[in-house]
Amino acid sequence: KNEVEQSPQNLTAQEGEFITINCSYSVGISALHWLQQHPGGGIVSLFMLSSGKKKHGRLIATINIQEKHSSLHITASHPRDSAVYICAVNSRATNKLIFGTGTLLAVQP
Amino acid sequence: NAGVMQNPRHLVRRRGQEARLRCSPMKGHSHVYWYRQLPEEGLKFMVYLQKENIIDESGMPKERFSAEFPKEGPSILRIQQVVRGDSAAYFCASSPLSDTGELFFGEGSRLTVL
Repeated sequence: KNEVEQSPQNLTAQEGEFITINCSYSVGISALHWLQQHPGGGIVSLFMLSSGKKKHGRLIATINIQEKHSSLHITASHPRDSAVYICAVNSRATNKLIFGTGTLLAVQP
Repeated sequence: NAGVMQNPRHLVRRRGQEARLRCSPMKGHSHVYWYRQLPEEGLKFMVYLQKENIIDESGMPKERFSAEFPKEGPSILRIQQVVRGDSAAYFCASSPLSDTGELFFGEGSRLTVL
Protein backbone atom coordinates (compact mmCIF):
# COMPACT_ATOMS: atom_id res chain seq x y z
CA LYS A 1 0.00 0.00 0.00
CA ASN A 2 1.35 3.42 -0.95
CA GLU A 3 2.08 5.80 1.88
CA VAL A 4 0.23 8.54 0.00
CA GLU A 5 -2.99 7.66 -1.79
CA GLN A 6 -4.95 9.99 -4.03
CA SER A 7 -8.47 9.67 -5.36
CA PRO A 8 -9.75 9.70 -7.92
CA GLN A 9 -6.93 8.77 -10.29
CA ASN A 10 -8.78 10.33 -13.20
CA LEU A 11 -11.49 12.95 -13.17
CA THR A 12 -13.45 14.53 -15.99
CA ALA A 13 -15.60 17.56 -15.24
CA GLN A 14 -17.65 20.09 -17.14
CA GLU A 15 -16.59 23.71 -17.07
CA GLY A 16 -18.00 25.46 -14.03
CA GLU A 17 -18.25 22.36 -11.85
CA PHE A 18 -16.93 22.17 -8.29
CA ILE A 19 -14.09 19.65 -8.09
CA THR A 20 -12.65 17.78 -5.14
CA ILE A 21 -9.47 15.72 -5.12
CA ASN A 22 -8.62 13.70 -2.03
CA CYS A 23 -5.34 12.66 -0.46
CA SER A 24 -4.83 10.20 2.40
CA TYR A 25 -1.49 9.37 3.97
CA SER A 26 -0.26 6.86 6.50
CA VAL A 27 2.94 8.45 7.86
CA GLY A 28 3.58 11.22 10.34
CA ILE A 29 4.08 14.46 8.51
CA SER A 30 5.35 17.95 9.10
CA ALA A 31 3.67 19.42 6.03
CA LEU A 32 1.57 18.51 3.01
CA HIS A 33 1.96 19.96 -0.46
CA TRP A 34 -0.42 20.19 -3.38
CA LEU A 35 1.32 20.46 -6.73
CA GLN A 36 0.10 21.01 -10.28
CA GLN A 37 1.74 19.55 -13.38
CA HIS A 38 0.61 20.25 -16.94
CA PRO A 39 1.33 17.57 -19.55
CA GLY A 40 4.98 17.70 -20.49
CA GLY A 41 5.37 20.68 -18.25
CA GLY A 42 6.95 21.73 -15.02
CA ILE A 43 5.60 21.46 -11.53
CA VAL A 44 3.99 24.35 -9.72
CA SER A 45 3.54 24.37 -5.98
CA LEU A 46 -0.06 25.32 -5.17
CA PHE A 47 -0.19 24.97 -1.40
CA MET A 48 1.86 23.91 1.57
CA LEU A 49 -0.26 23.03 4.62
CA SER A 50 0.40 21.87 8.12
CA SER A 51 -3.08 22.53 9.51
CA GLY A 52 -6.47 23.99 8.68
CA LYS A 53 -7.31 25.51 5.37
CA LYS A 54 -5.77 27.74 2.72
CA LYS A 55 -7.37 29.56 -0.19
CA HIS A 56 -5.84 31.02 -3.32
CA GLY A 57 -8.20 32.30 -5.97
CA ARG A 58 -10.50 29.45 -6.98
CA LEU A 59 -8.40 26.86 -5.17
CA ILE A 60 -8.98 25.73 -1.60
CA ALA A 61 -6.90 23.18 0.30
CA THR A 62 -7.83 21.64 3.62
CA ILE A 63 -6.08 19.21 5.90
CA ASN A 64 -7.24 17.10 8.84
CA ILE A 65 -4.16 15.98 10.73
CA GLN A 66 -6.06 13.57 13.01
CA GLU A 67 -7.64 11.79 10.08
CA LYS A 68 -4.48 12.04 7.91
CA HIS A 69 -6.50 13.43 5.03
CA SER A 70 -6.37 16.46 2.78
CA SER A 71 -8.61 17.74 0.03
CA LEU A 72 -8.02 20.10 -2.86
CA HIS A 73 -11.10 21.90 -4.13
CA ILE A 74 -11.46 23.86 -7.36
CA THR A 75 -14.47 26.14 -7.64
CA ALA A 76 -15.91 27.22 -10.99
CA SER A 77 -13.56 24.91 -12.87
CA HIS A 78 -12.15 25.98 -16.23
CA PRO A 79 -10.46 24.04 -19.05
CA ARG A 80 -7.14 25.67 -18.15
CA ASP A 81 -7.36 23.82 -14.80
CA SER A 82 -6.79 20.58 -16.73
CA ALA A 83 -3.59 19.11 -15.33
CA VAL A 84 -2.25 16.45 -12.99
CA TYR A 85 -2.64 17.36 -9.33
CA ILE A 86 -0.15 15.75 -7.01
CA CYS A 87 -0.30 15.43 -3.26
CA ALA A 88 3.04 15.14 -1.44
CA VAL A 89 3.81 14.83 2.25
CA ASN A 90 6.96 15.77 4.09
CA SER A 91 7.65 12.71 6.24
CA ARG A 92 8.55 13.67 9.77
CA ALA A 93 10.66 10.52 10.14
CA THR A 94 12.81 11.02 7.06
CA ASN A 95 12.26 14.70 6.23
CA LYS A 96 11.74 13.65 2.62
CA LEU A 97 8.80 14.27 0.33
CA ILE A 98 6.63 11.25 -0.47
CA PHE A 99 4.46 11.76 -3.53
CA GLY A 100 1.08 10.44 -4.50
CA THR A 101 0.68 9.17 -8.04
CA GLY A 102 -1.44 12.15 -9.02
CA THR A 103 -4.96 12.85 -10.20
CA LEU A 104 -5.42 13.59 -13.87
CA LEU A 105 -8.11 16.26 -14.23
CA ALA A 106 -9.74 17.12 -17.54
CA VAL A 107 -12.18 20.01 -17.57
CA GLN A 108 -14.29 20.08 -20.70
CA PRO A 109 -15.76 23.30 -22.10
CA ASN B 1 13.65 36.99 -9.11
CA ALA B 2 14.06 34.14 -11.56
CA GLY B 3 12.62 30.80 -10.60
CA VAL B 4 14.42 27.50 -10.48
CA MET B 5 16.22 27.07 -13.79
CA GLN B 6 16.92 23.65 -15.22
CA ASN B 7 18.77 22.83 -18.39
CA PRO B 8 18.69 21.26 -20.76
CA ARG B 9 14.92 20.90 -20.98
CA HIS B 10 15.31 17.93 -23.28
CA LEU B 11 18.32 15.68 -23.67
CA VAL B 12 18.76 12.67 -25.94
CA ARG B 13 21.58 10.25 -25.29
CA ARG B 14 22.58 6.87 -26.68
CA ARG B 15 23.16 3.97 -24.35
CA GLY B 16 26.56 4.22 -22.70
CA GLN B 17 26.87 8.00 -22.97
CA GLU B 18 26.87 10.44 -20.09
CA ALA B 19 24.04 12.80 -19.18
CA ARG B 20 24.55 16.00 -17.20
CA LEU B 21 21.56 17.87 -15.90
CA ARG B 22 21.92 21.29 -14.35
CA CYS B 23 19.82 23.14 -11.81
CA SER B 24 20.19 26.73 -10.67
CA PRO B 25 18.12 27.30 -7.52
CA MET B 26 16.20 30.44 -6.79
CA LYS B 27 18.29 33.33 -5.54
CA GLY B 28 18.89 32.98 -1.83
CA HIS B 29 18.04 29.27 -1.73
CA SER B 30 20.77 26.98 -0.51
CA HIS B 31 18.82 23.71 -0.43
CA VAL B 32 18.42 21.69 -3.61
CA TYR B 33 16.45 18.49 -4.15
CA TRP B 34 16.42 16.22 -7.20
CA TYR B 35 13.44 14.04 -8.05
CA ARG B 36 12.87 11.54 -10.84
CA GLN B 37 9.59 10.89 -12.58
CA LEU B 38 9.58 7.68 -14.58
CA PRO B 39 6.99 7.34 -17.37
CA GLU B 40 3.56 6.62 -15.92
CA GLU B 41 4.91 6.76 -12.37
CA GLY B 42 4.94 9.25 -9.54
CA LEU B 43 7.84 11.42 -8.48
CA LYS B 44 10.55 9.85 -6.36
CA PHE B 45 13.15 11.54 -4.20
CA MET B 46 16.73 11.10 -5.35
CA VAL B 47 19.07 13.42 -3.47
CA TYR B 48 19.16 16.45 -1.19
CA LEU B 49 22.10 18.82 -1.29
CA GLN B 50 23.26 21.99 0.33
CA LYS B 51 26.17 24.05 -0.93
CA GLU B 52 29.21 21.72 -1.17
CA ASN B 53 27.44 18.99 0.82
CA ILE B 54 25.34 15.95 0.01
CA ILE B 55 22.88 15.71 2.88
CA ASP B 56 20.84 12.70 1.79
CA GLU B 57 21.41 10.56 -1.28
CA SER B 58 19.33 7.61 -0.16
CA GLY B 59 17.07 7.80 -3.22
CA MET B 60 19.84 7.76 -5.75
CA PRO B 61 21.04 4.53 -7.42
CA LYS B 62 24.40 3.53 -6.00
CA GLU B 63 26.07 3.18 -9.37
CA ARG B 64 26.35 5.54 -12.34
CA PHE B 65 24.52 8.42 -10.61
CA SER B 66 26.17 11.30 -8.80
CA ALA B 67 25.18 14.79 -7.74
CA GLU B 68 26.97 17.89 -6.63
CA PHE B 69 26.18 21.44 -5.60
CA PRO B 70 29.41 23.41 -5.71
CA LYS B 71 30.09 26.66 -3.91
CA GLU B 72 29.75 28.49 -7.21
CA GLY B 73 27.49 27.46 -10.05
CA PRO B 74 24.50 25.18 -10.48
CA SER B 75 23.77 21.82 -8.97
CA ILE B 76 24.57 19.00 -11.37
CA LEU B 77 23.04 15.54 -11.61
CA ARG B 78 25.33 13.28 -13.56
CA ILE B 79 24.38 9.91 -15.02
CA GLN B 80 27.19 7.86 -16.46
CA GLN B 81 26.78 5.07 -19.01
CA VAL B 82 23.08 5.73 -19.42
CA VAL B 83 20.66 2.88 -20.05
CA ARG B 84 17.13 2.97 -21.47
CA GLY B 85 15.67 2.70 -17.98
CA ASP B 86 17.17 6.09 -17.13
CA SER B 87 14.71 7.75 -19.53
CA ALA B 88 12.62 9.97 -17.30
CA ALA B 89 11.88 13.53 -16.30
CA TYR B 90 14.28 14.84 -13.69
CA PHE B 91 13.00 17.68 -11.55
CA CYS B 92 14.95 19.98 -9.33
CA ALA B 93 13.44 21.93 -6.47
CA SER B 94 14.96 24.50 -4.18
CA SER B 95 14.03 25.81 -0.78
CA PRO B 96 15.30 28.49 1.57
CA LEU B 97 14.78 26.13 4.51
CA SER B 98 15.70 22.53 5.17
CA ASP B 99 12.64 21.59 7.17
CA THR B 100 9.09 22.00 5.86
CA GLY B 101 10.24 24.84 3.68
CA GLU B 102 8.13 25.70 0.69
CA LEU B 103 9.55 24.09 -2.41
CA PHE B 104 9.96 25.76 -5.77
CA PHE B 105 10.25 23.40 -8.71
CA GLY B 106 11.99 23.79 -12.02
CA GLU B 107 10.50 22.92 -15.40
CA GLY B 108 12.30 19.58 -15.43
CA SER B 109 14.82 17.96 -17.74
CA ARG B 110 13.49 15.18 -19.92
CA LEU B 111 16.09 12.56 -20.68
CA THR B 112 15.55 10.10 -23.51
CA VAL B 113 18.00 7.25 -23.90
CA LEU B 114 17.97 5.64 -27.34
